Amino acid sequence: QLVLTQSPSASASLGASVKLTCTLSSGHSSYDITWHQQQPEKGPRHLMKLNSDGSHTKGDGIPDRFSGSSSGAERYLTISSLQSDDEAYYYCQTWGTATNWVFGGGTKLTVL
Amino acid sequence: QVQLVESGGGVVQPGRSLRLSCAASGFTFSSYGMHWVRQAPGKGLEWVAVIWHDGSNKNYADSVKGRFTISRDNSKNTLFLQMNSLTAEDTALYYCAAYSGSSYRYYWGQGTLVTVSS
Repeated sequence: QLVLTQSPSASASLGASVKLTCTLSSGHSSYDITWHQQQPEKGPRHLMKLNSDGSHTKGDGIPDRFSGSSSGAERYLTISSLQSDDEAYYYCQTWGTATNWVFGGGTKLTVL
Repeated sequence: QVQLVESGGGVVQPGRSLRLSCAASGFTFSSYGMHWVRQAPGKGLEWVAVIWHDGSNKNYADSVKGRFTISRDNSKNTLFLQMNSLTAEDTALYYCAAYSGSSYRYYWGQGTLVTVSS
C-alpha cells in the first residue's frame, strides 16, 4: 500500500535552515512527490514537484529559499533563511493508481 | 491572476445532500484535471475525487464512492461536487484544486466549509 510518512512537527529558529522529510512506503521508493504549504487559515499552496533523482520543478513565485532533494525512499524539503511566515503545515503528496492523490500526514513547522 | 472560488458549503443534516461549486478563472480550465480535497477540523488533507480535463474519466476515494459525484462544465469554467447521504464524517473544509500533469502546475482554492450535523 502506498503511504507517505511525515514527522508531525519540526521547529527551527528565525534565519536558520530546516529539512523536512517525507518517506515513501516499501516498494514505492521510485515515486516522485510534490510538496504543498498550508499557512494558518489558508488554502494549500504548491511549492514544488520533487523527482526521485532529486531534480525539482518549483511552483510559480516560490523563492530560492525552498529546495528539494531525494535519497532512496526519502524526499526532503529544505527551507533556508527561515522567516516567520514559513510557519505552516507542509504536506507531501504523490500519485496513486488512476491519478488519485495520496497525502502524507503533514508536518507542522514552528519558527522560533 | 488564477482564482479558484468554492461555494455551496453550509450546515446540513445527516442523510441529506449538498452540491459544491468551484468557479475557475485566470487559466485554461479545460486543460486541467480537477480535484476535490477535504480537510476535517484539525486534520490533514484527504483526497476526495478527480475528473479528467475533458470529463472523460472520474475517480473517487473509497470513503465517498457511490455517494459523491464529481462533474465539470468547461463552457462555464466550473467544477461541481454532488454530495449525497452525508454523514458527520464528511464534515470538512472542501478545496478544489487544478492540476496539469504536463506542466506540473497546481492551483488551489480557499475552501468551503461543510458541516453535517443534526
